[in-house]
Formats: sequence, C-alpha cells, structure tokens
Amino acid sequence: GENVEQHPSTLSVQEGDSAVIKCTYSDSASNYFPWYKQELGKRPQLIIDIRSNVGEKKDQRIAVTLNKTAKHFSLHITETQPEDSAVYFCAARTSYGQNFVFGPGTRLSVLP
Amino acid sequence: DGGITQSPKYLFRKEGQNVTLSCEQNLNHDAMYWYRQDPGQGLRLIYYSQIVNDFQKGDIAEGYSVSREKKESFPLTVTSAQKNPTAFYLCASSIDRGIANEQFFGPGTRLTVL
Repeated sequence: GENVEQHPSTLSVQEGDSAVIKCTYSDSASNYFPWYKQELGKRPQLIIDIRSNVGEKKDQRIAVTLNKTAKHFSLHITETQPEDSAVYFCAARTSYGQNFVFGPGTRLSVLP
Repeated sequence: DGGITQSPKYLFRKEGQNVTLSCEQNLNHDAMYWYRQDPGQGLRLIYYSQIVNDFQKGDIAEGYSVSREKKESFPLTVTSAQKNPTAFYLCASSIDRGIANEQFFGPGTRLTVL
C-alpha cells in the first residue's frame, strides 16, 4: 500500500522568510496530492492540491511542486506571516475507491 | 468544511462503555471517513465507506465499528474493546466520481475516558 513520509517534523522561520515542506510517496499510481493546514484544536483545511498531470501549482503565497519521477512533492510558503503557524499535512491518493494516506505532519512556527 | 457536522464536540466515557460519535454531511458526497488523531500526531484511518451499506477497515479498526445506512450519515461506535480511546476524532467526506478529490473535514469530537 501507499506510504507517505514528510520532512521536517518541525520548522521555525522568521516572519517574511520562506518555508518548504517535503513529502515522498511510494505508490506510483497515486495521482492526487492535497496539503492541509490544521490549527490547534481545529479541523484540517485544504490549502492547495495538485494532480499528477501538473508539475506546479500556485495560489498567492503558496505553491506546490510535484516530481512524479522521484515521487516527491513539496509545499512552498513565501513571505511567511505569524498566522501561517500551524501543523501542515500532506497526503496522497490513487484513483477512485482508494483511501487517502497522510504524512505525519510538520509543525511550522513563524517567529515575529 | 461547511456541510459536514460532528456531534458532540466533547464526549466523556467511563471505562467499559460503548459510545457513538455522530457524523452527518449534506454535501451529497459518496465517500466518508473516520480518523483518529492523538496529541502531536498525524491522522490515522479507522474506517471508510465509498457507498451506502458498504465500508472497509482502515489501519486501526480494532475496537471500533461503523454503519452506513444513509448516504448522509456515518456514525462511529467506540466499543469497550478499544483500550485507549482518548483522542480527537475527525470525520471527513469526499465526492468520488471517477477521480480523486479533496476531503472535507468535520469539526471533530474530543473523546476522553474517565
């Protein structure tokens, strides 16, 4: 089955700097890769996603890149702000009928 | 996230009791999921259901049971066989129409064993 690894487990950056979180997956059939942000005590919320037919996707300060050959994808946050502080989860999924597999999460702290 | 609800928000259970967590969605989503989250940990899949009257075990199904009698509802029962049930439980749903799509999460239920 699918296995998703995520690094680093914790990340501290200065406000205004960039943050990068990397995930690797094992199943080459996976074709959908969402990223979720979870604030303390709250539900995870989708911030960006990418499908396997696209190499990069950007939404304002957030971008995701996908390397299918190497089976890894990364989240990039530019111009970080204190409200970006949260736990971020990556996930992978194959096509219809399969469940999502989540990475263990990265705790991002943006220092003022 | 709108359209998927969980109740109660907080639940206290005595040892030996079964408790049922509610999950309802009005998004017309086909698939529904239950996850368990322990402090500082990721999401672990308990059960998931792709269609009514059908469900599959996830990675940590022991001590839990589910039903999917209606498309909108996917209740989770935590049985007395689950020895360490204190955790944050998240329900999610997704539309499955041939391609993978995002999951929408409910607000969660925090279960504490007294």
